[in-house]
Amino acid sequence: ETGVTQTPRHLVMGMTNKKSLKCEQHLGHNAMYWYKQSAKKPLELMFVYNFKEQTENNSVPSRFSPECPNSSHLFLHLHTLQPEDSALYLCASSLQLNTGNTEAFFGQGTRLTVV
Amino acid sequence: AQSVAQPEDQVNVAEGNPLTVKCTYSVSGNPYLFWYVQYPNRGLQFLLKYITGDNLVKGSYGFEAEFNKSQTSFHLKKPSALVSDSALYFCAVRDRNSGAGSYQLTFGKGTKLSVIP
Repeated sequence: ETGVTQTPRHLVMGMTNKKSLKCEQHLGHNAMYWYKQSAKKPLELMFVYNFKEQTENNSVPSRFSPECPNSSHLFLHLHTLQPEDSALYLCASSLQLNTGNTEAFFGQGTRLTVV
Repeated sequence: AQSVAQPEDQVNVAEGNPLTVKCTYSVSGNPYLFWYVQYPNRGLQFLLKYITGDNLVKGSYGFEAEFNKSQTSFHLKKPSALVSDSALYFCAVRDRNSGAGSYQLTFGKGTKLSVIP
């Protein structure tokens, strides 16, 4: 266990559904991240939060909407997704931004399938 | 811009033999370098990192990696492979001189390691 917990582990949703992914960490970290992992592609950084403030949005479509109510929780709200959005979504946390020598801790991921 | 290349999609090695998983990087400044491992249906687990100092870094589960600045490489190694080492391995880089963007880790595509009994 890395200390980062993601729920649900698996999610199947239709293109018209609305769902949310949840990430929780109690490591005392202040930076949290969403990554998308697709087969045979590098991990794609989607969003970054530092002390609850969004600092990065890597040109992610608006059908993905992040929320960070506090430093321990991160959500990814999903609506009107496309089949190509099917992937493993990984949450990660680290001590804080601008401490470049610290590693990130990853959750186990949510396997999302859009039908 | 920073980038990572893992030239091998798959590496096969017999149990008990030494293993190497290759990684080369490109940054404008000096790098922080990381290796992560991913087991099936799991997230990434941190293995080791190079920050500064000794070029040979030792990490979890008997893995080590050697930083070579002239070759811009950070290959992962283990003297004797175990079947349980079979997994997907990711190399990642962060440019320590990139200022506001210094938090962004860039990952390679991953190398699948299969250790054959």
